[in-house]
Amino acid sequence: DGGITQSPKYLFRKEGQNVTLSCEQNLNHDAMYWYRQDPGQGLRLIYYSQIVNDFQKGDIAEGYSVSREKKESFPLTVTSAQKNPTAFYLCASSVSGTVNQPQHFGDGTRLSIL
Amino acid sequence: AQKVTQAQTEISVVEKEDVTLDCVYETRDTTYYLFWYKQPPSGELVFLIRRNSFDEQNEISGRYSWNFQKSTSSFNFTITASQVVDSAVYFCALSVDDRGSTLGRLYFGRGTQLTVWP
Repeated sequence: DGGITQSPKYLFRKEGQNVTLSCEQNLNHDAMYWYRQDPGQGLRLIYYSQIVNDFQKGDIAEGYSVSREKKESFPLTVTSAQKNPTAFYLCASSVSGTVNQPQHFGDGTRLSIL
Repeated sequence: AQKVTQAQTEISVVEKEDVTLDCVYETRDTTYYLFWYKQPPSGELVFLIRRNSFDEQNEISGRYSWNFQKSTSSFNFTITASQVVDSAVYFCALSVDDRGSTLGRLYFGRGTQLTVWP
């Protein structure tokens, strides 16, 4: 079945450690997105990418990095510079990244600090 | 700047009651799209509906209906005869057309937690 796979489902980070969240899609979508969800905050955009080897910062990119080396993959690295990384992270994709395209979401990764 | 407001943080109803979730948006763009998503306890967001700024027709899909009013910048969502399985967080979102520079990004409201009791 086509869809978006995020792994791991739960992730724990030690102080000063970088961790990488995986996002893979087999929908043949061009655009991919990363969102952060905090309780009562809704979803906030971290990074987005419309094509391979190109990505843009969203509203809260500080302390995060991404890469887009393959169309189907858009991993997110939470660096040690992100001082409050505990949150639920959602990856999404859409056909072309145009304004009218709905985004399809993965099941999310819950990141906590040890 | 774009903004979506969902003033209702939590709503509780008893099964079979009707419930309306409010969504108010702000944008200066004339071309935009509005979306509703459902987030069940499992976490993934499920797309429910998309509406463009030029189509103010209301839409009904089974027990779900949506009322889009440009005059009040609102896009409200009504569930008729609610069921326990409707319990979830519901998000309203906005996407604007500014000549491709925002790559279809969504601006989300903070969500409304709906609990339907048996």
